[in-house]
Amino acid sequence: NAGVTQTPKFQVLKTGQSMTLQCAQDMNHEYMSWYRQDPGMGLRLIHYSVGAGITDQGEVPNGYNVSRSTTEDFPLRLLSAAPSQTSVYFCASGTGGYGYTFGSGTRLTVV
Amino acid sequence: GQQLNQSPQSMFIQEGEDVSMNCTSSSIFNTWLWYKQEPGEGPVLLIALYKAGELTSNGRLTAQFGITRKDSFLNISASIPSDVGIYFCAGQDTSYGKLTFGQGTILTVHP
Repeated sequence: NAGVTQTPKFQVLKTGQSMTLQCAQDMNHEYMSWYRQDPGMGLRLIHYSVGAGITDQGEVPNGYNVSRSTTEDFPLRLLSAAPSQTSVYFCASGTGGYGYTFGSGTRLTVV
Repeated sequence: GQQLNQSPQSMFIQEGEDVSMNCTSSSIFNTWLWYKQEPGEGPVLLIALYKAGELTSNGRLTAQFGITRKDSFLNISASIPSDVGIYFCAGQDTSYGKLTFGQGTILTVHP
């Protein structure tokens, strides 16, 4: 049982490049979400999904797209990377009100 | 949007001491969660609270869901070096999939 798997673990992008952060869970969880973590700011919600085919914006959605075609996968797309998107990104999944399991993160640097 | 204020921001304590941290919110939550994050890893769930007034323990950890549903605290008794890390509170309202996080408390334990 792998839990929540995020790839890649590290990435360096040039300003303007696009990329997709992958997230997969094998726990059949309905709910999946993406957070970014910046020093002193805790974790902020980017986008979330309450099931396959259903997504919604969180607190800081600008510059990011998501889709959820299957229960297992919830990729996060950076459309045109900017230095302000340098951060650590976490994916999480859960069954609702019973806590969420987090992946180990993707550390992204935009130069 | 919802905001969580977590305090203290950091704590430096001696091994064996007790620790207390808390979170307050500008709005009501239905669920309070406490997570611990170690370097290079994602947050790991410690305790989940579901009812106002609820007091829950997990080993040396005790957390309470405030009566007003706008606050929660976490106590760690008899701290040990492996308690080092960042502790986050998180609240969830009726929107499953969305967590609002506090800024985190950085705990350092001196042997």
